[in-house]
Amino acid sequence: ETGVTQTPRHLVMGMTNKKSLKCEQHLGHNAMYWYKQSAKKPLELMFVYSLEERVENNSVPSRFSPECPNSSHLFLHLHTLQPEDSALYLCASSPTDGQGEQYFGPGTRLTVT
Amino acid sequence: GENVEQHPSTLSVQEGDSAVIKCTYSDSASNYFPWYKQELGKRPQLIIDIRSNVGEKKDQRIAVTLNKTAKHFSLHITETQPEDSAVYFCAASRYSGGGADGLTFGKGTHLIIQP
Repeated sequence: ETGVTQTPRHLVMGMTNKKSLKCEQHLGHNAMYWYKQSAKKPLELMFVYSLEERVENNSVPSRFSPECPNSSHLFLHLHTLQPEDSALYLCASSPTDGQGEQYFGPGTRLTVT
Repeated sequence: GENVEQHPSTLSVQEGDSAVIKCTYSDSASNYFPWYKQELGKRPQLIIDIRSNVGEKKDQRIAVTLNKTAKHFSLHITETQPEDSAVYFCAASRYSGGGADGLTFGKGTHLIIQP
């Protein structure tokens, strides 16, 4: 698959589990993002990475921990989540020398039980 | 921080008619305004965007207008077709030209095209 890919596509985890979401972009971009999409709420920006450095953290609880080992990969490590964290987690990427357009992955549907 | 309001939340139009979705933003420093289309179970896809140095942009049946003074922008879809049925999101950001800038989204408009 080309563009932005995410794995797994679906994840069910208990509140005491630890899991990780993975995002990979094949577009040669230098910036990557995590967004959360809940029912009846707008897409919420969680984290921004530019050239593998975190440049923005939107007051996200510490139970979400991002990691960006290189410009093509982005992870979201999850631990001791709450049921209200159940949502669609979307990764996006953009070129830092571009015009601002962001390209989204298909998302990971997370259910916390 | 930025706040983006989007209306209406649901819009039903007859096939062939036009649809208009409106958004307002609060941060006068915002200068990049994209629109995304999200079909059920799919990822958001960029359909058109506009920058603050432009008042209007058109791409076939889709157009976006921007009024920086009033801080609002609108999406216009003409000659609507069944495949236009989806949720549409507006967004705003301060594009700083070389950095990475997160988007602030509106709550979305569910557009329904009636046959």
